[in-house]
Amino acid sequence: NAGVTQTPKFQVLKTGQSMTLQCAQDMNHNSMYWYRQDPGMGLRLIYYSASEGTTDKGEVPNGYNVSRLNKREFSLRLESAAPSQTSVYFCASTPDRDYGYTFGSGTRLTVV
Amino acid sequence: AQSVTQLGSHVSVSEGALVLLRCNYSSSVPPYLFWYVQYPNQGLQLLLKYTSAATLVKGINGFEAEFKKSETSFHLTKPSAHMSDAAEYFCAVSDQGFQKLVFGTGTRLLVSP
Repeated sequence: NAGVTQTPKFQVLKTGQSMTLQCAQDMNHNSMYWYRQDPGMGLRLIYYSASEGTTDKGEVPNGYNVSRLNKREFSLRLESAAPSQTSVYFCASTPDRDYGYTFGSGTRLTVV
Repeated sequence: AQSVTQLGSHVSVSEGALVLLRCNYSSSVPPYLFWYVQYPNQGLQLLLKYTSAATLVKGINGFEAEFKKSETSFHLTKPSAHMSDAAEYFCAVSDQGFQKLVFGTGTRLLVSP
């Protein structure tokens, strides 16, 4: 009963380093999402994938790239990390619009 | 684009008191609306949802919300607060053909004994 699994849970990066956040779901959901959560700003959508093979920009896509590797996996890449990308990142998935999202437990990223 | 406004970044209640968390939305079409709860260092968990069926929606842990189109509101209520309700609550509205959700900035509920 894993749901949505995010790795790693914590990461510290130096400015300019790159990394990939991994997300996998085992519920056969069609749509997957990446959000970032910052104090006082709620959750802001970075990228989403409405179905396997498609990806679209959200509200704050600059500095990020995504890959929908297959139906299960949706990764988020930071090519050159900046301190402004210090945040908690959440992956979520849903089977369709009538359902809410299932969220992972998050990745806490600090860029120094 | 759709948006939600959550009035009050913090709400404090006593244990046993009524909980009222406010959410107003802007949408050009009938929306889907959701409430989520986040406990410390955890992901978000769905409390309840409105998807154009009954306007009074009941969720988990004794919470409910009423969709009021005339007021563009979807306020979350619970008759009697419990210490375990202390958490952050997020309202969300569907956007762009229901393909994604737009979240409010959240309300932290504090429950005192």
